[in-house]
Amino acid sequence: EAGVAQSPRYKIIEKRQSVAFWCNPISGHATLYWYQQILGQGPKLLIQFQNNGVVDDSQLPKDRFSAERLKGVDSTLKIQPAKLEDSAVYLCASRGSADTQYFGPGTRLTVL
Amino acid sequence: AQSVSQHNHHVILSEAASLELGCNYSYGGTVNLFWYVQYPGQHLQLLLKYFSGDPLVKGIKGFEAEFIKSKFSFNLRKPSVQWSDTAEYFCAAGAGGTSYGKLTFGQGTILTVHP
Repeated sequence: EAGVAQSPRYKIIEKRQSVAFWCNPISGHATLYWYQQILGQGPKLLIQFQNNGVVDDSQLPKDRFSAERLKGVDSTLKIQPAKLEDSAVYLCASRGSADTQYFGPGTRLTVL
Repeated sequence: AQSVSQHNHHVILSEAASLELGCNYSYGGTVNLFWYVQYPGQHLQLLLKYFSGDPLVKGIKGFEAEFIKSKFSFNLRKPSVQWSDTAEYFCAAGAGGTSYGKLTFGQGTILTVHP
């Protein structure tokens, strides 16, 4: 079974630039999550989708972050404009019928 | 508010030593508990999980964890660690029942095992 795919794996940008991350979940998984993991901390949920609908985006900084999952499969997370404090690893996870999340390798973002 | 606290930021052991990593949670209602591991250069992987039933759960690679409801704890144990157990370990909690599985993570514990 293929795992959760993410790209790019690394990204370096200047502050105030925009960036986008892509995630393809495990086939058939209806629930998709985006987490932010700042160095030295555990992952923090940014947004959760059930199929193509948003379930929870309470911790998403909506003035600069946006995410979509238009066809209920893959998803993109965008930051515009980026700030220094957005430097982190962005993790995508998916979940099927069981209550277990499977994580992708993450995208490491460095904002200079 | 839900929270998960891991007691140790960095644990250093020699091979064959016993391991116990502490995890406490604050959650209203039924809770599902998880331990994830992240080996160097790899992604987060599930070690074990507790949903209900026997409070002593066994996971992969000889790890086990005990759910103690009265102490709001879910400590991870291994009787004899190996060099290959060097990794970062995360405890996580999610609401049980029919939730969509949102997880709250602890801050992680880095385990270094010396050969």
